[in-house]
Amino acid sequence: DGGITQSPKYLFRKEGQNVTLSCEQNLNHDAMYWYRQDPGQGLRLIYYSQIVNDFQKGDIAEGYSVSREKKESFPLTVTSAQKNPTAFYLCASSPGQGDEQYFGPGTRLTVT
Amino acid sequence: EDKVVQSPLSLVVHEGDTVTLNCSYEVTNFRSLLWYKQEKKAPTFLFMLTSSGIEKKSGRLSSILDKKELFSILNITATQTGDSAVYLCAVYRVDSGGGADGLTFGKGTHLIIQP
Repeated sequence: DGGITQSPKYLFRKEGQNVTLSCEQNLNHDAMYWYRQDPGQGLRLIYYSQIVNDFQKGDIAEGYSVSREKKESFPLTVTSAQKNPTAFYLCASSPGQGDEQYFGPGTRLTVT
Repeated sequence: EDKVVQSPLSLVVHEGDTVTLNCSYEVTNFRSLLWYKQEKKAPTFLFMLTSSGIEKKSGRLSSILDKKELFSILNITATQTGDSAVYLCAVYRVDSGGGADGLTFGKGTHLIIQP
C-alpha cells in the first residue's frame, strides 16, 4: 500500500518546546517537501529536499529544521524560535524535482 | 516578490452549472503551473501545465495555460456536489541549478455546489 504517511494527526505542545513531525513515503520518490497552511491561506513552503543528505530553505524556514538521512523519511522539527507554530503541516513528495507532488494527510499542530 | 493570485476566492453555484476558476502569476523563472483539489486535508493533483495553449482534460475538468498573459483557468462543466472543495493553483520556478524548487501556491478558490 504505497503512499505518504504523517504522524501524528493531531499534536498539542506547550510554548517553548521543540516538536518533531514525522513524514514517511514508500513511493521511492527522490524529492520531499514541507508546507504550512493557515486558515484561509494557501500552502507556504518551509523546506524541500531533492536528494538524500541535501535540503534547501523555502519561503518561511525560520524557526524550523529538517533532516534527510534516508530517502523515505523527511522529519520536520518546529523549534521554540518559531513565533506562530500553530498551523496545519503538510508533507509532500514527487518522483523528481519539478514533477507533480503527492501529499500526506497532514498534522495539525496546536501550541498553547 | 513572486506571487500567485486566484479568483474568485469563493464561489457558490447550483449543481449542473459550469464554473471557471482563474489563476494569474508573477513568478521569476516560471517552469510549470499545477492545479490541486483540497476537500478536507490532503490536496490531490489535477493537472500540470507547461506549454501555452494546450488544454489538459480529465472528464468534466479541463485547464489551459497562457504564458504570454501569465494566467491559467480551470473549467468544471456539469458540476456535482462532489466538486465542492478548495481548488489550489501552484507554480514551480526554475531554481539556480536549472531544476525546480518547491511550489508557490495561491490562496485557493472555495467552490460550493448547491443541490
